[in-house]
Parts: sequence; structure tokens; C-alpha cells
Amino acid sequence: DIVMTQTPLSSPVTLGQPASLSCRSSQSLLHSDGNTYLSWLQQRPGQPPRLLIYRISNRFSGVPDRFSGSGAGTDFTLKISRVEAEDVGVYYCVQATHFPRTFGQGTKVEI
Amino acid sequence: EVQLVESGGGLVQPGGSLRLSCVGSGFSFSSSTMLWVRQAPGKGLEYVSYISSNSGTIYYADSVKGRFTISRDNANSSLYLQMHSLRAEDTAVYFCARGAETWGQGTMVTVSS
Repeated sequence: DIVMTQTPLSSPVTLGQPASLSCRSSQSLLHSDGNTYLSWLQQRPGQPPRLLIYRISNRFSGVPDRFSGSGAGTDFTLKISRVEAEDVGVYYCVQATHFPRTFGQGTKVEI
Repeated sequence: EVQLVESGGGLVQPGGSLRLSCVGSGFSFSSSTMLWVRQAPGKGLEYVSYISSNSGTIYYADSVKGRFTISRDNANSSLYLQMHSLRAEDTAVYFCARGAETWGQGTMVTVSS
């Protein structure tokens, strides 16, 4: 199975300041169809996960534009341009290029 | 509104059984691959099981293989997870999900004597 490694595990942030979260996969996530199936999920305390970003850099419906995704191959980044209080939670990267899909261990974002 | 609603969780003794259900609405359930993902208290997300739209492809994590059975009823937009021989380490919130884009609220399963 593909191993997804997220760093840091915990990220203290300051309101209004940027934050950057990293995710690395043990193999390239470029699919033979030309797409890279790397997504980012946000899980606020006490809530189910919510899709933020799909296929590296596409924001899901309703996701604020302060969230952006980038990367290629095995290295990916989620950036929050200006952290707001509602962004507190755990962020997971997940790959669906290779079967079975696998999750990173999560990065906790806290103020 | 796209929605997934799980039910069936509860407290069960080690070695017991439980059947989880998930009903989807607001999207084409019959053409969607569906997943069960669990989260132990204070832990991350663990992929439990997968079923393709026509039930032709099914996957189980090694941790549940031989004990859990996933199934679906497309006519009723329902997904199921039959769990047998439950262990303390199966204690978790169980989410059903449509790929990564739609998640239910989860149902809590507690395995304890």
C-alpha cells in the first residue's frame, strides 16, 4: 500500500498568518490516465471530514479561496493564505491513484 | 442536498456482531463507489472497506478481513457493513463516504465488556 507521510504533525499558527502543510507519498501519484488523485480533507473538532481540495489543486464547492493546493509526483502542499479561527482542526491528505486509497496521519492546526 | 446518514452503531461485547447502515440521498447512489472509513478515539482516519457501484469490486483492510462484510442495495440507496467477531480495537466512529467528497456524520461503535 502507498504510505502517505504528513509533516508537521502539529502546526501552531497565528490568526491572519499563512500556514503550509506537507504530504509525501511513497510512490508517484500520477495515474496512467494523466490525473493525480491527491486530495486534502479538513476535520474540525467533533465533525466528519470535509473535502477541501481534489486532484492536487482543485477547490471543492464552497471552499474559501484562502485554501490552495500544489505539488506533483510524490510531494504535495496545502497552503492557507491567512488562517482564520474556523480553520482549526486536523488536515489529512489522501491518495486514490493506487488501490487501496490511503490516508496520511494528519496535521493538527491549532492557534 | 447531498447527504449520507449512518445508523446501527452502539455498545457490543467482544466477539459480538453489529450491522451498520448508510442511506444516501441527493446524488446517484447506484453509480457511486462507496467506502467505510473509521476513526478510533483521538486517532486518524483508517480505510476499512470499499465497494464499487455494481458490487463487482470489494476491498477490506487487513485489520477487518474475514470479519467484516460490505454490501449495498442500490434500489434503496443503502450501504451496509456487517461486523462479526468484534474486538476492542474496532472501537471507533464509522463513517460512510462517497469517494472523498461526501461524508456521513458517523456512527459510534464501542466494543467493551
